[in-house]
Amino acid sequence: NAGVTQTPKFQVLKTGQSMTLQCAQDMNHNSMYWYRQDPGMGLRLIYYSASEGTTDKGEVPNGYNVSRLNKREFSLRLESAAPSQTSVYFCATRLNNSPLHFGNGTRLTVT
Amino acid sequence: GNSVTQMEGPVTLSEEAFLTINCTYTATGYPSLFWYVQYPGEGLQLLLKATKADDKGSNKGFEATYRKETTSFHLEKGSVQVSDSAVYFCALKGGATNKLIFGTGTLLAVQP
Repeated sequence: NAGVTQTPKFQVLKTGQSMTLQCAQDMNHNSMYWYRQDPGMGLRLIYYSASEGTTDKGEVPNGYNVSRLNKREFSLRLESAAPSQTSVYFCATRLNNSPLHFGNGTRLTVT
Repeated sequence: GNSVTQMEGPVTLSEEAFLTINCTYTATGYPSLFWYVQYPGEGLQLLLKATKADDKGSNKGFEATYRKETTSFHLEKGSVQVSDSAVYFCALKGGATNKLIFGTGTLLAVQP
């Protein structure tokens, strides 16, 4: 049982490049989330999806897009990466009001 | 809006020392409160939670009591181990959005 799987684990981009961070879960959870973790800022919610087919903005959505491809997968896309998007990105899932389950993170550096 | 404030780290302790990590919150209504732990190289995991005033959450020797009168949810452990070295996040959920709001995290380093 893999839980929440994020790929890639590490990525380096140049300013202006695009990429998609992938998240897949095998727990049949309905809600999925993307957070970014920055020093001194804790975790901030970028986007979330309460159920398949729906997505909503979180606290810091600018510069990102998401896609809830199906119940298992929730991807985060950076269309034109900026140095301010250097961060560690975490995907999380939840079933109804149960605790969040986190992936191991993707460390992104934008130069 | 809702917010969480926790003590800045790093907190450095010797093995078997007593641990307190302070957490206070601002929220309307009656939020649920959580402590999450992040071990090196991993995602966050739920450590404990409390859903109403005076509830005590506990797990792995850690405890935290939901104190509405002081709007606090301090994390304590009587005797820390090297394996407790991690980043600890206080969080709350409640209000109109029902989103989980995290504090900034406190790094705990336990030395043998």
